[in-house]
Amino acid sequence: EDQVTQSPEALRLQEGESSSLNCSYTVSGLRGLFWYRQDPGKGPEFLFTLYSAGEEKEKERLKATLTKKESFLHITAPKPEDSATYLCAVYLSGGSNYKLTFGKGTLLTVNP
Amino acid sequence: DVKVTQSSRYLVKRTGEKVFLECVQDMDHENMFWYRQDPGLGLRLIYFSYDVKMKEKGDIPEGYSVSREKKERFSLILESASTNQTSMYLCASSFRSGNINYGYTFGSGTRLTVV
Repeated sequence: EDQVTQSPEALRLQEGESSSLNCSYTVSGLRGLFWYRQDPGKGPEFLFTLYSAGEEKEKERLKATLTKKESFLHITAPKPEDSATYLCAVYLSGGSNYKLTFGKGTLLTVNP
Repeated sequence: DVKVTQSSRYLVKRTGEKVFLECVQDMDHENMFWYRQDPGLGLRLIYFSYDVKMKEKGDIPEGYSVSREKKERFSLILESASTNQTSMYLCASSFRSGNINYGYTFGSGTRLTVV
């Protein structure tokens, strides 16, 4: 049973077309939620950490929000260089030594 | 800039070979992790280490072992490589501070092909 579910699996946007990616989790005791960006053939790159419901973080065209059940990564007026796979991960209370549980990712393609 | 360095970007090995994947971090992080990443399966934890000489099994440890003799280095060992171990392998490290998780820093990955 997946603890972290990302949707959609893939998203294709036109340049400038804003949208949101979703990360939902089905466990209690969330102690942190993380967003990463991964380019093809490379390791994930850290974007944001959110620790409590209501928290928001922004970086350029990206904004991450967190509720008690899910997180959204909002992409405003995306550019082709925003094309990547976006991963979310959760850190749970009682978790062993800082292990993160990852979702399977959303592949974002932004067409010029 | 902090770094996690994986020794090889691409490796091709034969079935039955013993394979070593090396990972070095320069951030003085206590925790280090090995994941594999496969299409449709996402990131799966193989092993992690929270201190020198300490290790814990992750979700898919079968066919793998690890070694952490120094704080900065974490090695993944495929005892006898098989074709189903063809994958992208990612090393990560993290800082430990009480109950707060500051997230991982990942290496660039090693694409391993077993033929």
